[in-house]
Amino acid sequence: EIVLTQSPATLSLSPGERATLSCRASQSVSSYLAWYQQKPGQAPRLLIYDASNRATGIPARFSGSGSGTDFTLTISSLEPEDFAVYYCQQRSNWPPGTFGQGTKLEIK
Amino acid sequence: EVQLVESGGGLVKPGGSLRLSCAASGFTFSSYSMNWVRQAPGKGLEWVSSISSSSSYIYYADSVKGRFTISRDNAKNSLYLQMNSLRAEDTAVYYCARETGGGIADYWGQGTLVTVSS
Repeated sequence: EIVLTQSPATLSLSPGERATLSCRASQSVSSYLAWYQQKPGQAPRLLIYDASNRATGIPARFSGSGSGTDFTLTISSLEPEDFAVYYCQQRSNWPPGTFGQGTKLEIK
Repeated sequence: EVQLVESGGGLVKPGGSLRLSCAASGFTFSSYSMNWVRQAPGKGLEWVSSISSSSSYIYYADSVKGRFTISRDNAKNSLYLQMNSLRAEDTAVYYCARETGGGIADYWGQGTLVTVSS
């Protein structure tokens, strides 16, 4: 089973700053990686699929990059509504649909 | 507008059973694979089960295999999860989600809470 490790566990930034979140796979997942955002009390929302494709309705400030084992989610300029928990998920070796443990993006 | 509405959660004793339902609308339900994903209180996301559009392919996480059964009724636009032999560690919010491929989900319901406790 592929293990996804996200870092950092918590990221403290201010609105307007750039956020860089990392997801590392225990073995290559090619480009088959997705990113989700989850706010307290809400369901996850798909942001990025297949490493770099924005899902429907996702603002351009969200971008994804990477392939193989190392992936990055970048938020170019943080808006107040972007503070949430972010999860990565791989579909290369599926099932199971393994998720990372999450990165909490909090307001500094 | 895609909508997924879960129901059927609640409090159940260890060893008990529960059946979750998910009512889908706003898309051609019979064309999509569907997932159940859960989240224990204060924890991360865990994929539970997937079913293909025609029920030909069904997959389970090892943690629920042999205890949970996923099913669907395309005529009723509904997804189900029959949960038997429930354990305390099954306590979680259970989400129904539309799958785009390989377990990746583009739309999610609001979730239903299952609590397993004596």
